[in-house]
Amino acid sequence: EVQLVESGGGLVQPGGSLRLSCAASGFTFSSYWLSWVRQAPGKGLEWVANIKQDGSETYYVASVKGRFTISRDNAKNSLYLQMNSLRAEDTAVYYCARHLRFCSGGNCYSAIYYFDYWGQGTLVTVSS
Amino acid sequence: QSALTQPPSASGSPGQSVTISCTGTSSDVGGYNYVSWYQQHPGTAPKLMIYDVSKRPSGVPDRFSGSKSGNTASLTVSGLQAEDEADYYCSSYAGSNNLVFGGGTKLTVL
Repeated sequence: EVQLVESGGGLVQPGGSLRLSCAASGFTFSSYWLSWVRQAPGKGLEWVANIKQDGSETYYVASVKGRFTISRDNAKNSLYLQMNSLRAEDTAVYYCARHLRFCSGGNCYSAIYYFDYWGQGTLVTVSS
Repeated sequence: QSALTQPPSASGSPGQSVTISCTGTSSDVGGYNYVSWYQQHPGTAPKLMIYDVSKRPSGVPDRFSGSKSGNTASLTVSGLQAEDEADYYCSSYAGSNNLVFGGGTKLTVL
């Protein structure tokens, strides 16, 4: 069974830092693109960042570029999000999400536009 | 303000059909056939319902269907059931490795 379990959320002051973790199990972690997606209280979803299977490529939404860093440790089946210079507008539930991957006839490719599994989320509150 | 525009609410009676729209621009919905829809029940994580505009992942009932015309994508839920009551979000690739979501539509089964 695929499982994604986020941790590390909490209350932090504006300008502070926080590191989120996502522990994965039930699948070959190193074969998948992964993302962080957030949802502000009562609001819609917002894609934050994603990372390629080997960590060689990372992409960010404009609002977090230069402040957030996504990384992974394939040996530990873990995904991370280092968040610096936090702002009130970063307050949200942060989800770890796995990108869809298709395999046919021994060939596999990642559909990095879609997410097939999500964690339960961890709440980050930025407030003084 | 969300990148993609969805109506905040939609409703229908059991057995009826309801369609939810998702309007973007030629830079996202209109420019790529990479539109998806997610269902989210309160307090739970989103679930992928539609991808590539109209394809259903394994396990998603065929009551759920997707389409696109120009800059607007649509999700249609036919034969509404009580368990379909949830929030629905559209998403689209927006180029340059960027994904955008809609603001969400709360579907109520009357």
